[in-house]
Amino acid sequence: DVKVTQSSRYLVKRTGEKVFLECVQDMDHENMFWYRQDPGLGLRLIYFSYDVKMKEKGDIPEGYSVSREKKERFSLILESASTNQTSMYLCASSQQGRDGYTFGSGTRLTVV
Amino acid sequence: GEDVEQSLFLSVREGDSSVINCTYTDSSSTYLYWYKQEPGAGLQLLTYIFSNMDMKQDQRLTVLLNKKDKHLSLRIADTQTGDSAIYFCADSFSGGYNKLIFGAGTRLAVHP
Repeated sequence: DVKVTQSSRYLVKRTGEKVFLECVQDMDHENMFWYRQDPGLGLRLIYFSYDVKMKEKGDIPEGYSVSREKKERFSLILESASTNQTSMYLCASSQQGRDGYTFGSGTRLTVV
Repeated sequence: GEDVEQSLFLSVREGDSSVINCTYTDSSSTYLYWYKQEPGAGLQLLTYIFSNMDMKQDQRLTVLLNKKDKHLSLRIADTQTGDSAIYFCADSFSGGYNKLIFGAGTRLAVHP
């Protein structure tokens, strides 16, 4: 079964900490995405990557960066965590064509 | 820019049909998708429809597409308590990278 794996289901971090959220896919997909999900706001795209070492800003990139050194791994970095970054973070991957995205289970991050 | 809109809540009685509606703005969409999110989980692809189709049926699910009005709907027949979840409509962004634009999600509550 194809999978997108997010390294943590729950994380609690302190304000100002540097936070790494990891995502790994085993489907050899070219495209990978990071979203955050907040009640009433749906999914908002933070960053995406269409190839190794390539990245594009999404709708809300401020306060975040990403890294894609290998095709299967896409990392989201919170340079200095703030309380307004408390959210559910969802990683997804896709290939060109009709199959849409495959999502990970999500990481619920709380910044205190 | 491209936008996808959904109503936020729907409540139905067990055994009735549910209809979740979605409107989108991108006239160049190739595929449109429905995803389901159960509590605490990532999104799971339910079904998709190609833009040159009007209808697609998959067991209890029926997708209707009105391309002229840019309206998509998901009908769930014989709704069960296990169908309680958040349902997201998504539009394939015509700008490339296989990017999807998501609606805010409709929370379906099924009561006895």
